[in-house]
Amino acid sequence: DVKVTQSSRYLVKRTGEKVFLECVQDMDHENMFWYRQDPGLGLRLIYFSYDVKMKEKGDIPEGYSVSREKKERFSLILESASTNQTSMYLCASSLSLGVSYEQYFGPGTRLTVT
Amino acid sequence: AQRVTQPEKLLSVFKGAPVELKCNYSYSGSPELFWYVQYSRQRLQLLLRHISRESIKGFTADLNKGETSFHLKKPFAQEEDSAMYYCALKRRADAGNNRKLIWGLGTSLAVNP
Repeated sequence: DVKVTQSSRYLVKRTGEKVFLECVQDMDHENMFWYRQDPGLGLRLIYFSYDVKMKEKGDIPEGYSVSREKKERFSLILESASTNQTSMYLCASSLSLGVSYEQYFGPGTRLTVT
Repeated sequence: AQRVTQPEKLLSVFKGAPVELKCNYSYSGSPELFWYVQYSRQRLQLLLRHISRESIKGFTADLNKGETSFHLKKPFAQEEDSAMYYCALKRRADAGNNRKLIWGLGTSLAVNP
């Protein structure tokens, strides 16, 4: 069974703190993604990675960075958390090729920045 | 630029009524289209993809290239269909930057008893 796990379901941080969100997949997928999900704004891609140590900016990378040191793990870093980063963060993974392309999602981390 | 439009933020129907969630896209090539669903307190998951031409949980979706649409339909809605539905587009395999999906903003479906 396909599994994407995220380190926390709920997280509360203070403004200015450095925040790490971790995502692990056990499917040997090349691609991993970080999204934020906000009401009325749908899913917005923050960053994605297509290989170890490789990354590309998504639509809203400002204020975020990522790290992918191992194939199975993709971390999202908020260098200095701000209240406008309060959101639901979703991690996903996928294979690159094949007719059965599918993104598999984690359960999400609801981050509140106070 | 590629874009996916879901014109309805919220769709409310009664149990047993037909339901259609609209999805329109703009893309000059041959896209792959998907519907994803997120039930309350569950993770986002694939519902169906157009290349499979399958029916999942009674839902079907046909790619209409002429109208650039990929509407999701079900003849008789059930209360358990209440969820957030997202339409998504992927560029064809031989196009650049085709690893990611382009998402619509989502439609919240409420099926009332």
